[in-house]
Amino acid sequence: DAGVIQSPRHEVTEMGQEVTLRCKPISGHDYLFWYRQTMMQGLELLVYFNNKAVMDDSGMPKDRFSAKMPNASFSTLKIQPSEPRDSAVYFCASMNGGGGNTGELFFGEGSRLTVL
Amino acid sequence: GENVEQHPSTLSVQEGDSAVIKCTYSDSASNYFPWYKQELGKGPQLIIDIRSNVGEKKDQRIAVTLNKTAKHFSLHITETQPEDSAVYFCAAKTGSARQLTFGSGTQLTVLP
Repeated sequence: DAGVIQSPRHEVTEMGQEVTLRCKPISGHDYLFWYRQTMMQGLELLVYFNNKAVMDDSGMPKDRFSAKMPNASFSTLKIQPSEPRDSAVYFCASMNGGGGNTGELFFGEGSRLTVL
Repeated sequence: GENVEQHPSTLSVQEGDSAVIKCTYSDSASNYFPWYKQELGKGPQLIIDIRSNVGEKKDQRIAVTLNKTAKHFSLHITETQPEDSAVYFCAAKTGSARQLTFGSGTQLTVLP
């Protein structure tokens, strides 16, 4: 299996611009998570989906962030307008939530966002 | 909600020595405690986990211990090697919840 695939790996943009991060989960996984990693906050959960439905987005600043999962193999995290404080590494992770599953998260390699 | 604290934030050991990383959690209903290793430029990867009905678990040079009464758990790495250098995260999950709450991470450096 190819694992969780994220794009772009690196993004540099200017304040006020729209940013779209993309994720392809592992085939067959029914949970998808978006985490943000910063030096100060560690790994923060922004939002997660189960079978394409948002289960919890309480960690996501809703005035500028939006997350979608239009099908089982694709999710986006959009920031509009972007701000310098959004600079971080954004990780997507997927999980097989089936019965007896260990609950292991499989992470992508991350998208490093720099907002100037 | 759950709060996980992790110490130390940085740890340097000589090759061959042991390393210990400690975490505490706040929610007594938490029942699953994984540890993830993040190498430079990569996403975190599960290395070991423990459930609340077990006190200790070992996998070769890695072990995790859990003290439910004190609400803390620890990662022990013996005979450290340079390839053990990475950031380690502890995490906790409560009941039937699907999301993990992560600690702040420990940068482990194994000196040759």
